[in-house]
Amino acid sequence: DAKTTQPNSMESNEEEPVHLPCNHSTISGTDYIHWYRQLPSQGPEYVIHGLTSNVNNRMASLAIAEDRKSSTLILHRATLRDAAVYYCILDNYGQNFVFGPGTRLSVLP
Amino acid sequence: DSGVTQTPKHLITATGQRVTLRCSPRSGDLSVYWYQQSLDQGLQFLIQYYNGEERAKGNILERFSAQQFPDLHSELNLSSLELGDSALYFCASSLGLTQETQYFGPGTRLLVL
Repeated sequence: DAKTTQPNSMESNEEEPVHLPCNHSTISGTDYIHWYRQLPSQGPEYVIHGLTSNVNNRMASLAIAEDRKSSTLILHRATLRDAAVYYCILDNYGQNFVFGPGTRLSVLP
Repeated sequence: DSGVTQTPKHLITATGQRVTLRCSPRSGDLSVYWYQQSLDQGLQFLIQYYNGEERAKGNILERFSAQQFPDLHSELNLSSLELGDSALYFCASSLGLTQETQYFGPGTRLLVL
């Protein structure tokens, strides 16, 4: 199965942008890159996903490297409510949705 | 609120016992996924059902089984429980088969004593 690697933890100041990196050097051509986050005591929630092009939605932006071996989730203005564990996942057409250990994001007031 | 419901919220049982966890997907979603989250293993995909049929299998033990019923709700059966099965079990649902956003329920916390 394709795997992802992320930093264990990151820290950000409130209202500043946050760039969360993810490496997926073994990604295949059909793998989509998904980002989910898990707030304390809750189930994971969808953030964003993409295949090759950069993507934007109301929550975040996803920047995908040209060779697709890495991606970056961008939170444009971090708030205290963004403190969570962020997971970068490769979707192999639904065959075994593999969550990595994720990045624990702390947001400082 | 994701629209996915899971019961019970908490479950305490003994080793060797069998339990059933229940999940109701969001209205209109045909896929149901089960995940296990433990401190040492992180979030692991167990199994996916789509419209009543098994579609993908992850790290699910042989002691565990699942099914999806005609009304699309799903049950995860855990038998011959061991201490190591203590974990949070999440159900998620999505509209279709692949590349779909998954909506997660609040989870069932299982404690095996």
